[in-house]
Amino acid sequence: QKEVEQDPGPLSVPEGAIVSLNCTYSNSAFQYFMWYRQYSRKGPELLMYTYSSGNKEDGRFTAQVDKSSKYISLFIRDSQPSDSATYLCAILNRDDKIIFGKGTRLHILP
Amino acid sequence: DTGVSQDPRHKITKRGQNVTFRCDPISEHNRLYWYRQTLGQGPEFLTYFQNEAQLEKSRLLSDRFSAERPKGSFSTLEIQRTEQGDSAMYLCATSGTSVPYEQFFGPGTRLTVL
Repeated sequence: QKEVEQDPGPLSVPEGAIVSLNCTYSNSAFQYFMWYRQYSRKGPELLMYTYSSGNKEDGRFTAQVDKSSKYISLFIRDSQPSDSATYLCAILNRDDKIIFGKGTRLHILP
Repeated sequence: DTGVSQDPRHKITKRGQNVTFRCDPISEHNRLYWYRQTLGQGPEFLTYFQNEAQLEKSRLLSDRFSAERPKGSFSTLEIQRTEQGDSAMYLCATSGTSVPYEQFFGPGTRLTVL
């Protein structure tokens, strides 16, 4: 079983919709959970990180961690065409290494 | 722009040639990481440095790969005797020691081995 599993998509939604992106992870010891956004032919950009369970909000973005089910989510409200990108979930393992999911390609349709 | 720069941005080489990539980190970051990313995959960890010390290398990093960070500032990643399977995006990221979860990535070097 891979440490981080993520549906690669693509996911297409109309502009203004709420987007839900999800990942599962295997090791209950993980404590830090991150979401990165990557535009085509660019390096990943850190969007948000959360520690342990709960929600964290930053503008239109909300990250959610459910440690009981080993499930992490990113919600994007009022989605914009500029949100079209690949979204990578990631965890920090005990050796301070980041393990990434495969990424979900998101298309926001104008 | 995250403040992390990589050079070159693109490299095309023939199989069997050696290539070297450079990463210049955010100046106050003492951790520097190298990742490899292939199409449709997330970045995969290769190696990382704390200042000039190389602390860990992934099993993905064969003997043909070597990385250095001689003065704890910029880093180089060299691939000897390149193979077509080495074609990928090579990404550099940096962080402070106390915030390893906040890694800032450079734009990457895209390597194509013909």
